[in-house]
Amino acid sequence: QSALTQPASVSGSPGQSITISCTGTSSDVGSYNLVSWYQQHPGKAPKLMIYEGSKRPSGVSNRFSGSKSGNTASLTISGLQAEDEADYYCCSYAGSPWVFGGGTKLTVL
Amino acid sequence: QITLKESGPTLVKPTQTLTLTCTFSGFSLSTSGVGVGWIRQPPGKALEWLALIYWDDDKRYSPSLKSRLTITKDTSKNQVVLTMTNMDPVDTATYYCALSSIAAAGSFRYWGQGTLVTVSS
Repeated sequence: QSALTQPASVSGSPGQSITISCTGTSSDVGSYNLVSWYQQHPGKAPKLMIYEGSKRPSGVSNRFSGSKSGNTASLTISGLQAEDEADYYCCSYAGSPWVFGGGTKLTVL
Repeated sequence: QITLKESGPTLVKPTQTLTLTCTFSGFSLSTSGVGVGWIRQPPGKALEWLALIYWDDDKRYSPSLKSRLTITKDTSKNQVVLTMTNMDPVDTATYYCALSSIAAAGSFRYWGQGTLVTVSS
């Protein structure tokens, strides 16, 4: 099972919106809507931001949204804030195994 | 309040077996739909899923590491144990345990703080 493909880095200015893509195959991302997204600040554990493709856990800002089209899932962050600067990982579950993406470093300019 | 915490050696020698324990609170691993998984992250690199055990003792392993991994649970102690045999320097990583449940299918809702394991002679 190969890792999901994410851009290595994205950037945006405060207040702007950015989108991080996560490309898999018809066997993982494309097969079920069970993509999750995690935010990780340096030296910290990952934090679940989106599950089941587009659902937000309680406590996660509605500035974070998820979607999917075909074999590609996307995480959109609107109204960028300095605190959003972090690494973001997508993860796909299609029964087993869980497959993570390579991670995307978000820089808030 | 749900918490998970990893414990185990910080340094292991090549070829040795690593044993990590995840001690959790705030949920029961005997509850239907609940699972505890292990994920690792080499320094500066991406997350990698290793293994997961469900409430009904169903066990899942990463295909690439399956021959080296064993995951078990002790429901009475609220612990999940991961063993990894034949450790190599490339296994140097922060190892996390995390809760997965049917309430957020396919995802890891709560994570431990992680424990850094270095493999070196």
